[in-house]
Amino acid sequence: TQLLEQSPQFLSIQEGENLTVYCNSSSVFSSLQWYRQEPGEGPVLLVTVVTGGEVKKLKRLTFQFGDARKDSSLHITAAQPGDTGLYLCAGALIQGAQKLVFGQGTRLTINP
Amino acid sequence: GAGVSQSPSNKVTEKGKDVELRCDPISGHTALYWYRQSLGQGLEFLIYFQGNSAPDKSGLPSDRFSAERTGGSVSTLTIQRTQQEDSAVYLCASSPYWGGQPQHFGDGTRLSIL
Repeated sequence: TQLLEQSPQFLSIQEGENLTVYCNSSSVFSSLQWYRQEPGEGPVLLVTVVTGGEVKKLKRLTFQFGDARKDSSLHITAAQPGDTGLYLCAGALIQGAQKLVFGQGTRLTINP
Repeated sequence: GAGVSQSPSNKVTEKGKDVELRCDPISGHTALYWYRQSLGQGLEFLIYFQGNSAPDKSGLPSDRFSAERTGGSVSTLTIQRTQQEDSAVYLCASSPYWGGQPQHFGDGTRLSIL
């Protein structure tokens, strides 16, 4: 059983469309991170959210942490082929914890 | 280089052999992490170091796995008597401060056990 469930696991859309990826849990997290990973490379940290209800924007990407700190979403506006990759959410169960729990990832493909 | 460096990038070995994986963190980063990623999946925590100390070894899958860090810098992950289920990408990450989460990952070592 995954502590962090990501959905969808696979998503293929056309360039210019909008999309949302979800990361859900029954556990409360002190912080949550989103990473993007390309084939043959390590994950790259996109954002960290720590406060319930927090919203962070990174260009066309909007990240939200749920009020209860049990879930998060990543919304991409006007997706570009360069957004293609594996998106991973990861959470720390305890403040300052060094061990992150990862979701299984969402593989996103943006078609030109 | 400026990033986290891992070697080798690929390792193919026979079942039962021992393997050693190396991680060079970003200079000055005090925290170092090892994770394992099976094909197309999320990451599984293995171990982390604060300086040369490993306070949490609970993620190591079995006693065939061990890790050390020397001089607060380079770390090695050793797998003894490898099994086919050990096949995965082993990722190392570092962070500049205590209490943070892994910020900079290396590109990993892809380990294949025949």
